[in-house]
Amino acid sequence: GAGVSQSPSNKVTEKGKDVELRCDPISGHTALYWYRQSLGQGLEFLIYFQGNSAPDKSGLPSDRFSAERTGGSVSTLTIQRTQQEDSAVYLCASSLAGATYNEQFFGPGTRLTVL
Amino acid sequence: QQQVKQSPQSLIVQKGGISIINCAYENTAFDYFPWYQQFPGKGPALLIAIRPDVSEKKEGRFTISFNKSAKQFSLHIMDSQPGDSATYFCAASKRGNQFYFGTGTSLTVIP
Repeated sequence: GAGVSQSPSNKVTEKGKDVELRCDPISGHTALYWYRQSLGQGLEFLIYFQGNSAPDKSGLPSDRFSAERTGGSVSTLTIQRTQQEDSAVYLCASSLAGATYNEQFFGPGTRLTVL
Repeated sequence: QQQVKQSPQSLIVQKGGISIINCAYENTAFDYFPWYQQFPGKGPALLIAIRPDVSEKKEGRFTISFNKSAKQFSLHIMDSQPGDSATYFCAASKRGNQFYFGTGTSLTVIP
């Protein structure tokens, strides 16, 4: 079956512009996670959606970052007024539920470059 | 504050050798410890995971050793192969609500 998909695969933008990154989770997966992966760094947690519960936004680095999940499926991560330090690979993952032992399936990521 | 510390940053192993990657954590509330494998241009993929009620889990050539009292866990890759060359991440989670990842280990297996 189809895995997690993300679009675009690459995004180059100018400093100060807004960008939207899209994640299509695996059908039926109720939990969705966004991470940021910078060069030489691990995966930095950004935000977590579980079903209809309020999202855990504790990882968002600033108020320029926001995310929404429509209809419990597709999610969009928005970065406003992009800065050069926002350049990274943004990864999305989904899992069947938010329980402890459910495997996260990752998408291929969106590589964001801010010039 | 790095919740999960991973070492080494890079590792070079001869084909057939044993690759060992170590991780340490602080939060005793963590109850799930997965390892992920990532190839260039791909997202991470779950390799093997362990819960703190067991000290070791083995799947094929991959073994996790878990030391609850020391708050450490490690990945052992037996009979390492060139196809194992990838970046490996350890992680820890509390009830699956938020995952904390290590900084990754770049493994190169030399033929």
